[in-house]
Amino acid sequence: EAQVTQNPRYLITVTGKKLTVTCSQNMNHEYMSWYRQDPGLGLRQIYYSMNVEVTDKGDVPEGYKVSRKEKRNFPLILESPSPNQTSLYFCASRPRGGAPNEQFFGPGTRLTVL
Amino acid sequence: GDSVTQMEGPVTLSEEAFLTINCTYTATGYPSLFWYVQYPGEGLQLLLKATKADDKGSNKGFEATYRKETTSFHLEKGSVQVSDSAVYFCALSDLRTTSGTYKYIFGTGTRLKVLA
Repeated sequence: EAQVTQNPRYLITVTGKKLTVTCSQNMNHEYMSWYRQDPGLGLRQIYYSMNVEVTDKGDVPEGYKVSRKEKRNFPLILESPSPNQTSLYFCASRPRGGAPNEQFFGPGTRLTVL
Repeated sequence: GDSVTQMEGPVTLSEEAFLTINCTYTATGYPSLFWYVQYPGEGLQLLLKATKADDKGSNKGFEATYRKETTSFHLEKGSVQVSDSAVYFCALSDLRTTSGTYKYIFGTGTRLKVLA
């Protein structure tokens, strides 16, 4: 089954404790993105990647890191989480193409930073 | 910059009622427009899309028409069901001139609740 998986689905942590949220897709997509979803703000892009070893900042990259060492994986790293990073996070992927294509979303990771 | 504005929710309807969720956009280029749906506890799924002016996207009884003159992409359904209860996101995709890739801009989402 074609899908985007994220782990963990739920995470409660404390300020300053480094964490990684994993994202994996089995559709051989070139493009992958991370979004955060907050009430009243919709989805905002954190980082995106156009292919292996190619990443760039989205609209709200502060406090986050990413890496793309393999095509299928795109982990999101919070080196020193803070309470304002409490949010619902989504990973998404889509194929490369000349026209904008549908994005496929993971199920989400709900993060709480105390 | 580009933006998407959707009507605030929640929208509460009785089963079989007519649904409209308004969406307007601003864009510097010629964007494609999308509606995504998010069911409770799940990620977003594409509901429908339109890639140029006057295109009509449709799926599962939902429709939306790309209106360039009014910069709108309103979502409609003639008869909603309880199973349509979800959050609906309007989005646009436009070309990033600096990188040649497509950027996505999402609206804030509209929660729909359908009562039996």
